[in-house]
Amino acid sequence: QKEVEQNSGPLSVPEGAIASLNCTYSDRVSQSFFWYRQYSGKSPELIMSIYSNGDKEDGRFTAQLNKASQYVSLLIRDSQPSDSATYLCAVDSGGGADGLTFGKGTHLIIQP
Amino acid sequence: EPEVTQTPSHQVTQMGQEVILRCVPISNHLYFYWYRQILGQKVEFLVSFYNNEISEKSEIFDDQFSVERPDGSNFTLKIRSTKLEDSAMYFCASSDSWNNYGYTFGSGTRLTVV
Repeated sequence: QKEVEQNSGPLSVPEGAIASLNCTYSDRVSQSFFWYRQYSGKSPELIMSIYSNGDKEDGRFTAQLNKASQYVSLLIRDSQPSDSATYLCAVDSGGGADGLTFGKGTHLIIQP
Repeated sequence: EPEVTQTPSHQVTQMGQEVILRCVPISNHLYFYWYRQILGQKVEFLVSFYNNEISEKSEIFDDQFSVERPDGSNFTLKIRSTKLEDSAMYFCASSDSWNNYGYTFGSGTRLTVV
């Protein structure tokens, strides 16, 4: 059974600070890793993907992957109130047809 | 930017009734997915579909569920004999390959079974 674990939060971060979101996964053969943002009542929105160990930066977002530790993280720099949402970690174990396994999400609150 | 469109946005149905949820994937995409999210729970994979056939399905996707591509643009999820526990958000997604670079979800259908 593939599992993706996230701290559900809420994680409260002051505006302008760095928000750090973490995720662990159980399936060692996982190859593709994604962070989705989900506002309440809305669909998940892809914000970052990462496929190899190390860091990947896109604007204010940095995804970090450590396959040996089965750990993925997302850093949000210069956090804005509009970043307040639930962040979902999702993992693809290599067969695209199998779909993604999602974590339950971390609820992030950016305090003005 | 291309969108995945889902209708209706909200469907209320009585227990035991059949519902059909509709999706219009991005036009050049050939790989389709349905997911569901029970309120407060994880997004869960239901089924993937390619070339007019189911490619993979989860344990959730039992005989109560079926998918179809009735024409060149629509992709449907049918739920027969709905139960209270089928109440959830249902999301459609599409992609242009099985190489999963992260796909686009539709806006979802909120299904309420009463």
